[in-house]
Amino acid sequence: DIQMTQTTSSLSASLGDRVTISCSASQGISNYLNWYQQKPDGTVKLLIYYTSSLHSGVPSRFSGSGSGTDYSLTISNLEPEDIATYYCQQYSKLPWTFGGGTKLEIK
Amino acid sequence: QVQLQQSGAELVRPGSSVKISCKASGYAFSSYWMNWVKQRPGQGLEWIGQIYPGDGDTNYNGKFKGKATLTADKSSSTAYMQLSSLTSEDSAVYFCAREGITTATLAYWGQGTLVTVSA
Repeated sequence: DIQMTQTTSSLSASLGDRVTISCSASQGISNYLNWYQQKPDGTVKLLIYYTSSLHSGVPSRFSGSGSGTDYSLTISNLEPEDIATYYCQQYSKLPWTFGGGTKLEIK
Repeated sequence: QVQLQQSGAELVRPGSSVKISCKASGYAFSSYWMNWVKQRPGQGLEWIGQIYPGDGDTNYNGKFKGKATLTADKSSSTAYMQLSSLTSEDSAVYFCAREGITTATLAYWGQGTLVTVSA
């Protein structure tokens, strides 16, 4: 199975900051990478698909980038509602696998 | 709009089975893969498998073969997951999630069903 690693398990930032969350794969995944947001109440939402495409209804302050084995999610101008845990997910090969998550908190 | 409504929390005995449901609305149920995802308390997400309701085709994470069985009822637009031979390791929240632009992009999620395995 492809292992997805989010080395930063928690991150503290201030409102208005630019935040970058990283994710690496154990092998190349050809940009087949999605990002999800899980709010403290457990609700999960898709943010980004295929590395950099914004899902419908997601604010433009979210963006994604990367290639090969290394990917990132950037939130520009952090807002209070962005407090959540963020997960990457590869879909290059079955089984689909997720990173361990990065919990974003307000400083 | 797409909605996925999952069944309520379950408290089950070790060694037993449980079947949880995910009722879909707002789209053509038969035409989209439905996925299931596990989340143990305080842990990350784990993909269990997916089912295509149109023909019942399934893909499983090898880790869950023999543990999870996915089915779908087109007449009621409901997907099901049965978990068997339950142990404490199966205590978790289970989500259903419908595919989006790709079969592996989980664009719409249910609210989750908590399964607690305890004697």
